[in-house]
Amino acid sequence: GAVVSQHPSWVICKSGTSVKIECRSLDFQATTMFWYRQFPKQSLMLMATSNEGSKATYEQGVEKDKFLINHASLTLSTLTVTSAHPEDSSFYICSASGEGGTGAYEQYFGPGTRLTVT
Amino acid sequence: DAKTTQPPSMDCAEGRAANLPCNHSTISGNEYVYWYRQIHSQGPQYIIHGLKNNETNEMASLIITEDRKSSTLILPHATLRDTAVYYCIVRAYGQNFVFGPGTRLSVLP
Repeated sequence: GAVVSQHPSWVICKSGTSVKIECRSLDFQATTMFWYRQFPKQSLMLMATSNEGSKATYEQGVEKDKFLINHASLTLSTLTVTSAHPEDSSFYICSASGEGGTGAYEQYFGPGTRLTVT
Repeated sequence: DAKTTQPPSMDCAEGRAANLPCNHSTISGNEYVYWYRQIHSQGPQYIIHGLKNNETNEMASLIITEDRKSSTLILPHATLRDTAVYYCIVRAYGQNFVFGPGTRLSVLP
């Protein structure tokens, strides 16, 4: 199946700094990429959806100026957490989709990035 | 909000079949039933999906009732590596995936 990678797999940063997370589709062109956040013992929550070359669409309650998303190519999207605070510590997961063979619009998930803000 | 209801947890003996139920009584005619699983500290892994017919692949079988209001994911011979949270999601073409709390499956030796 299609492969999505994320980098880094984990990162520790100091409060007030920014951190960038990359999401790549390795063997297919991702027309849409999604960013999720998952706090301990909770389910995945969609943060934003981005289409290549367009501005991201953010879910209600997600600050677009704090979580900057860039989807500059069909294989790469980045999430930048600006001025990170300890409450931003979480597991960030991206997913990517393109036209699936079944027409059911498959979505493939990355392995996740664990962010710890100290 | 998630459109599905799953038991919060289940146990299964290693080597036995694991049957994970999912209720989706408000499913629409154009919505597929998807199953993903998430092993601790990893991203979700696709398992299987279907519209109305039963489906089988190398990982699992998906049984969808005739009225499509519920489904069952079957792992035929569960192993310890199948311990994970299993998510049942209903979704139409182009819609976002909405994750509920899922079922935490523990495969016991």
